[in-house]
Amino acid sequence: GESVGLHLPTLSVQEGDNSIINCAYSNSASDYFIWYKQESGKGPQFIIDIRSNMDKRQGQRVTVLLNKTVKHLSLQIAATQPGDSAVYFCAENPGEYGNKLVFGAGTILRVKS
Amino acid sequence: DTAVSQTPKYLVTQMGNDKSIKCEQNLGHDTMYWYKQDSKKFLKIMFSYNNKELIINETVPNRFSPKSPDKAHLNLHINSLELGDSAVYFCASTASGTGVGYTFGSGTRLTVV
Repeated sequence: GESVGLHLPTLSVQEGDNSIINCAYSNSASDYFIWYKQESGKGPQFIIDIRSNMDKRQGQRVTVLLNKTVKHLSLQIAATQPGDSAVYFCAENPGEYGNKLVFGAGTILRVKS
Repeated sequence: DTAVSQTPKYLVTQMGNDKSIKCEQNLGHDTMYWYKQDSKKFLKIMFSYNNKELIINETVPNRFSPKSPDKAHLNLHINSLELGDSAVYFCASTASGTGVGYTFGSGTRLTVV
């Protein structure tokens, strides 16, 4: 598939298990963080966001955790499904003019049926 | 459908040619972006326009020239295409001041041969 040869971190999980995808961000001034999902041949799709005054936010089957002390973000997906297979990106907003988002390198999630 | 629309989806062209990619959004957003995604899936910002005004211009060769005729449209013109320009180019938009993430288009895969 498209992920062959990408050499991105890869997480393989069994269908129905929980997934945790991690991200280290770089700028301690960043005040807004987003997780995006990118399926093959498509653009990044918004999953969930969190502001720096929170350390946890829950959505439908997804939870984002923010640890500002160590500049770490994680995305938890409950009961992972085959349709969750994609590349996942974290993005940070350093608060600069223009609302620029800086993206992390991406993690491939493979769900085995 | 409300969306960020890019054309064309695929573009194959020879080195040295000049080409344009078009983007339109009907979300009522006032800020639009061009991102480049390389073969390693890394997403990097190129340009941003707010209400037709250029507000972000990253270190991009001046062969790349964005144009925004109105706040709903952002086009990207590339002169003298080089092999290294081969990538997927994504348009995105957001509403300034809301502090929320972008909506991305589905991408234009540019291949320079």
